[in-house]
Amino acid sequence: GAVVSQHPSWVICKSGTSVKIECRSLDFQATTMFWYRQFPKQSLMLMATSNEGSKATYEQGVEKDKFLINHASLTLSTLTVTSAHPEDSSFYICSALSGGAEQFFGPGTRLTVL
Amino acid sequence: RKEVEQDPGPFNVPEGATVAFNCTYSNSASQSFFWYRQDCRKEPKLLMSVYSSGNEDGRFTAQLNRASQYISLLIRDSKLSDSATYLCAVNDGSSYKLIFGSGTRLLVRP
Repeated sequence: GAVVSQHPSWVICKSGTSVKIECRSLDFQATTMFWYRQFPKQSLMLMATSNEGSKATYEQGVEKDKFLINHASLTLSTLTVTSAHPEDSSFYICSALSGGAEQFFGPGTRLTVL
Repeated sequence: RKEVEQDPGPFNVPEGATVAFNCTYSNSASQSFFWYRQDCRKEPKLLMSVYSSGNEDGRFTAQLNRASQYISLLIRDSKLSDSATYLCAVNDGSSYKLIFGSGTRLLVRP
């Protein structure tokens, strides 16, 4: 399958700071990437759809001013969690859409906000 | 009603057993169906897509029943390494967005 990387794999930050997570498709170009969040023992919840060269589309209940998404190239999307709070602590996973409509996932970023 | 529902399990089976999972979905317009495997604290990995005619990959068989709106995954000759959470995913019918079930946990014991 296609390879998607995420950086960092884990991050611990203080409440009120901002954290940027990068998602890269390494061996294919992805005009569309997705950002998910997964709390312990729960399923993946789609946060937003990231479209190269245009604004992201956010799911209901997800604050676009808090979770900033930038998809500046065909291989990179970034998610910035602004003014992080402890309740933002979660496992953030990106995926990239392949030409065959399959989504390939990055390894995830575990965020802990103190 | 949840859009995609799965029995959370856990399914606790001995090595060599055959185990089946079902997943129901509510959107009749959904066109794409997938099974993913997720290990603890890891990302989901695509196990297989599910096609209308059913498809098989080694010990794994996936089937789709559009009339009853469910997909199934059958694992034959279970291995210890099959222990994981199995997530079904269904597209929302109008885009490539996927909606995931909450997962079914499988434990294969020696």
